Amino acid sequence: GAGVSQSPSNKVTEKGKDVELRCDPISGHTALYWYRQSLGQGLEFLIYFQGNSAPDKSGLPSDRFSAERTGGSVSTLTIQRTQQEDSAVYLCASSGGGGGETQYFGPGTRLLVL
Amino acid sequence: GQQVMQIPQYQHVQEGEDFTTYCNSSTTLSNIQWYKQRPGGHPVFLIQLVKSGEVKKQKRLTFQFGEAKKNSSLHITATQTTDVGTYFCAGSYNNNDMRFGAGTRLTVKP
Repeated sequence: GAGVSQSPSNKVTEKGKDVELRCDPISGHTALYWYRQSLGQGLEFLIYFQGNSAPDKSGLPSDRFSAERTGGSVSTLTIQRTQQEDSAVYLCASSGGGGGETQYFGPGTRLLVL
Repeated sequence: GQQVMQIPQYQHVQEGEDFTTYCNSSTTLSNIQWYKQRPGGHPVFLIQLVKSGEVKKQKRLTFQFGEAKKNSSLHITATQTTDVGTYFCAGSYNNNDMRFGAGTRLTVKP
């Protein structure tokens, strides 16, 4: 596609519910990143995928968070049993080769946990 | 743990003045990247620095990477209103450990 797309753009959920966030990277990009940004705060690195290699999940804040990337393209970030502190904008970025190449960000998913 | 400190948190300048933001890591970085996020927008990659002592320029922006690869700076000469936004540095320790600074929010008074 023309750029990184994410869905949904906004999500409101109740505490304790599970949510799934989707990221479609730029076609052909092998690297995909997930970040979290709380209101007025910096970017928190969550996880990084490079091609079909297994990601290092140590950046995920708790075991309620999981992410997968199927077929080396689309990625989903799942948050189980959501908590209010999970409320943030979740940003996805992709790059052509990882390792610090230009990252192109999607518009983000704004998650609000009530 | 590994973290990247960024200062100042806020900077308000008069148009035409210079601006600098600094990032510092307690341990050596493999590389550092800089991003700009306009109000209401998402971060946009500006540049990556890899080599010790590296200096790169993009028009009025000058990026530096320290000799020890633990600190970096972004300097904007003669700011313009279009420079408004939050500037983030992001230091990489390995491919799967990247830490962002808290960002410096720049406002420019015309």
